[in-house]
Amino acid sequence: NAGVTQTPKFQVLKTGQSMTLQCAQDMNHEYMSWYRQDPGMGLRLIHYSVGAGITDQGEVPNGYNVSRSTTEDFPLRLLSAAPSQTSVYFCASSRDRSNQPQHFGDGTRLSIL
Amino acid sequence: AQKVTQAQTEISVVEKEDVTLDCVYETRDTTYYLFWYKQPPSGELVFLIRRNSFDEQNEISGRYSWNFQKSTSSFNFTITASQVVDSAVYFCALSVRSGNTGKLIFGQGTTLQVKP
Repeated sequence: NAGVTQTPKFQVLKTGQSMTLQCAQDMNHEYMSWYRQDPGMGLRLIHYSVGAGITDQGEVPNGYNVSRSTTEDFPLRLLSAAPSQTSVYFCASSRDRSNQPQHFGDGTRLSIL
Repeated sequence: AQKVTQAQTEISVVEKEDVTLDCVYETRDTTYYLFWYKQPPSGELVFLIRRNSFDEQNEISGRYSWNFQKSTSSFNFTITASQVVDSAVYFCALSVRSGNTGKLIFGQGTTLQVKP
């Protein structure tokens, strides 16, 4: 019963590098999303997807790309890492976007030097 | 615009004390949903409860209880007889139906430390 799986759990990057944070869910959920957690700011929505092939921007989308080619996977790409993107990233999924409880992954702690 | 405020940044109690975590929200939508999540030291986010705007009944689950009051736009969370395992960061969150984005608006979180 895996739920939402995020990889890697930790990553250190240099400024300007690119990378992809992986997110997979095995609950056949239509809705998936990415949040970043910064101290004192709670979690903020980066991008979300309401189904395969459909994505949209959230509150803080700049510097990030997403795609949703399958129901299960929702990778987050950092195009050119910046120190301001140092954060903990959470992927979440829910049955649909009608405000169902979202199931979160364990998070990816990302440091940009 | 929607907003969630958790004014208590940190709370420290001794085991077996009762503790209330405050949550105040702002929205002009008439249909909305309120959530509480727990983030233990291990870092994952654990769903605790969801409440919709049309249901003001208080909820009790074991030692946990929630008080939803639309008149004061508050959705407070009380832990009765706290235990060390309750030590965590607790987040209150709001989701509105309009816009249909499924977006959760989180408060800043309250760090609860329960001392033995």
